[in-house]
Amino acid sequence: AQSVAQPEDQVNVAEGNPLTVKCTYSVSGNPYLFWYVQYPNRGLQFLLKYITGDNLVKGSYGFEAEFNKSQTSFHLKKPSALVSDSALYFCAVREGSNTGKLIFGQGTTLQVKP
Amino acid sequence: DGGITQSPKYLFRKEGQNVTLSCEQNLNHDAMYWYRQDPGQGLRLIYYSQIVNDFQKGDIAEGYSVSREKKESFPLTVTSAQKNPTAFYLCASSIGTETGELFFGEGSRLTVL
Repeated sequence: AQSVAQPEDQVNVAEGNPLTVKCTYSVSGNPYLFWYVQYPNRGLQFLLKYITGDNLVKGSYGFEAEFNKSQTSFHLKKPSALVSDSALYFCAVREGSNTGKLIFGQGTTLQVKP
Repeated sequence: DGGITQSPKYLFRKEGQNVTLSCEQNLNHDAMYWYRQDPGQGLRLIYYSQIVNDFQKGDIAEGYSVSREKKESFPLTVTSAQKNPTAFYLCASSIGTETGELFFGEGSRLTVL
């Protein structure tokens, strides 16, 4: 069965420093991986996805993610964090080959301090 | 602007009452989904529909019901059989099933008094 794990409940980083939010996955077949961001009491916003191709995926708001097949990871990164990046981040994997259903990780709260 | 509209934003319910959460999209998407969000548990799939007049149960369908009579609309009813309905409910849609990218509404927060 497909699954995704976010090992950190919270990540703290100083503004201007690089940030990484970790995600590992378990799938049968080729993984379709996603990152979403959620601000308090709001819906989820799509950041980026990996389906195939280049292992480094660029997305919205300066975020990028690196797909690593050997480590089954899809970590979210940003070279220089902003206070406004503080939010809840979700990693997700598509459940099957002919469905749009996504399985979400538990979420990681990113706190960027000035 | 195209998007997904959920209403109401906040809803209070007495125990034993059914409530219906509205979800409307004007993105012309075929597939629609309902997720439930609880603190520290991520999102869990309640129901999804890949086409009009068809829907399937997700992982936590017990105590919920849906309908898909129109492409634009996918209302969720939280019935009195749902034992712990207090949660944040998110509706989403996608163009189809190939890429899985979901577009989300702003959510509805249901509180049972």
